[in-house]
Amino acid sequence: SQTIHQWPATLVQPVGSPLSLECTVEGTSNPNLYWYRQAAGRGLQLLFYSVGIGQISSEVPQNLSASRPQDRQFILSSKKLLLSDSGFYLCAWSVWGRGETQYFGPGTRLLVL
Amino acid sequence: DAKTTQPPSMDCAEGRAANLPCNHSTISGNEYVYWYRQIHSQGPQYIIHGLKNNETNEMASLIITEDRKSSTLILPHATLRDTAVYYCIVRPVGGKLIFGQGTELSVKP
Repeated sequence: SQTIHQWPATLVQPVGSPLSLECTVEGTSNPNLYWYRQAAGRGLQLLFYSVGIGQISSEVPQNLSASRPQDRQFILSSKKLLLSDSGFYLCAWSVWGRGETQYFGPGTRLLVL
Repeated sequence: DAKTTQPPSMDCAEGRAANLPCNHSTISGNEYVYWYRQIHSQGPQYIIHGLKNNETNEMASLIITEDRKSSTLILPHATLRDTAVYYCIVRPVGGKLIFGQGTELSVKP
């Protein structure tokens, strides 16, 4: 069966500090990978998606970047965090053979102070 | 912009069926109806999806009207652990998941 991991689970960072959030998927090959952000009390916003190693599409301009160094690894980064980067970050995966249904990880809660 | 309309909140008694409605009057022929739920402080959990026919799995049933302009998610025997925000989303295969505000379901003892 497939599983998706995210770490850390929670993170408190000062404004201006760098960020690296990691997501890994087990039990599948060539997944599509996604990063979402959920602000408090609001819906999910798609930030990035990737259909393969090194292939990243950005959905909204922002202070964040994403990378996919391996088939089942997706990283969300920032060089300098802003207060507005606080939120709940979710990674998701999908594969074409399963109707492209997206399955979400447990999330990382980020608080920028 | 979400293409679905859901009531903001609903209550259900434990052990009873929870029927969550969703309107999607502008749905296109190639768009599926997806349901996810999000328990507080957790990632969204996929529940079920369908195109035209009614669907059932171990979690829930999905009833889609014949004109496909609305649907109902049915949790046959709600438990306290089913308390969550339920999202109804329409999308074509491979399309974006756009989450609206969903329905906050409270299952009460």
